[in-house]
Amino acid sequence: GNSVTQMEGPVTLSEEAFLTINCTYTATGYPSLFWYVQYPGEGLQLLLKATKADDKGSNKGFEATYRKETTSFHLEKGSVQVSDSAVYFCALSDRDQAGTALIFGKGTTLSVSS
Amino acid sequence: DAGVIQSPRHEVTEMGQEVTLRCKPISGHDYLFWYRQTMMRGLELLIYFNNNVPIDDSGMPEDRFSAKMPNASFSTLKIQPSEPRDSAVYFCASSLARSETQYFGPGTRLLVL
Repeated sequence: GNSVTQMEGPVTLSEEAFLTINCTYTATGYPSLFWYVQYPGEGLQLLLKATKADDKGSNKGFEATYRKETTSFHLEKGSVQVSDSAVYFCALSDRDQAGTALIFGKGTTLSVSS
Repeated sequence: DAGVIQSPRHEVTEMGQEVTLRCKPISGHDYLFWYRQTMMRGLELLIYFNNNVPIDDSGMPEDRFSAKMPNASFSTLKIQPSEPRDSAVYFCASSLARSETQYFGPGTRLLVL
């Protein structure tokens, strides 16, 4: 079945450091891929998405490229800020898989210190 | 649009009591999802609706949980009777299509004593 695997956290970085959060997936069809972010005490918000291979999603300085050959969708940011501290979820949707909705990874906690 | 609205934002109740959580999806969205989030189990899909009809309730943990969507702008998740292990954050989300972007509400933080 479809699944998403994220690197386990927590990830602890200093301000202005480079961020990578790894995400790989297994899917039977041609999924869309998403990154959601959850700030403390809030619901999940869409951060970025990509709908087909080689697409790059970007938002707020974050980027992720849909790599079909490696079944990956790694999240990157060149210079993190304290305000980026949150939990990040990778997710996929498979339009060809009837009955399923979004499948989420377990989440990766990012903590950025000044 | 105001986004997905959930109420109450916080609920504290005693074991055995009935709990009702409410959700108003984004207008025009045909899909509505209920999730539960805990530290131990992460984010779990409980049930989702399409055009007010329950499509997949395989994530509902027990018969104590029930969900309804009487119209396109309102859904409830009910727990009766509640137990301490039901303590969690419950999120409602809505989307235009099943496999497209879901928009989450702020969540209801439930504590069952």
